[in-house]
Amino acid sequence: QVQLQQSGPGLVKPSQTLSLTCAISGDSVSSNSAAWNWIRQSPSRGLEWLGRTYYRSKWYNDYALSVKSRITINPDTSKNQFSLHLNSLTPEDTALYYCAREATANSLDYWGQGTLVTVSS
Amino acid sequence: DIQMTQSPSSLSASVGDRVTITCRASQSFSNYLNWYQQKPGKAPRLLIYAASSLKSGVPSRFSGSGSGTDFTLTISSLQPEDFATYSCHQSYSPPYTFGQGTKLEIK
Repeated sequence: QVQLQQSGPGLVKPSQTLSLTCAISGDSVSSNSAAWNWIRQSPSRGLEWLGRTYYRSKWYNDYALSVKSRITINPDTSKNQFSLHLNSLTPEDTALYYCAREATANSLDYWGQGTLVTVSS
Repeated sequence: DIQMTQSPSSLSASVGDRVTITCRASQSFSNYLNWYQQKPGKAPRLLIYAASSLKSGVPSRFSGSGSGTDFTLTISSLQPEDFATYSCHQSYSPPYTFGQGTKLEIK
């Protein structure tokens, strides 16, 4: 059974960087058949896909255009986890952030518990 | 980006009703369309993947269909636990996108 456990701060100041981690159990971040995604959700924007990292003989990333200049998603094979870094935060980045595994037909079949992130001074 | 337009945005129905939710894509793609159920305070739960494949453990009253630009989620006979928000998701090509969601409420 795959489980994803998120960790990271719930309050971040404007202009600072958000860093969240998603620890994986029951699968490997280096899997050749999965990808590891970050999604956020807010009342104004609904569910918004942010990006993903995956391994297919080498590491790849894809990012949403809306955050492409500010986002980095990194795998950590030593700890079997992956992380989200989003810089230059504004109040519009306030949202519930989720990590998720992408597997069969690129569906998101396992999700983390969510982290409510508030951007405020 | 592929835009996903979901309708209706909200729906009132009774236990035992048959309901259908629709997603229309801004461009045609194959069957990389997924449906999720979300209850308050919980993460989305995958119901249907690849347009019509039922995830293991999901009740058979849920079904999906469609291809090209038009996709539907059908619940054949609503149960009390089905009142939730439903969202479609295209995973054909990054950047992935979601529909705006349909809130299914008890009439």
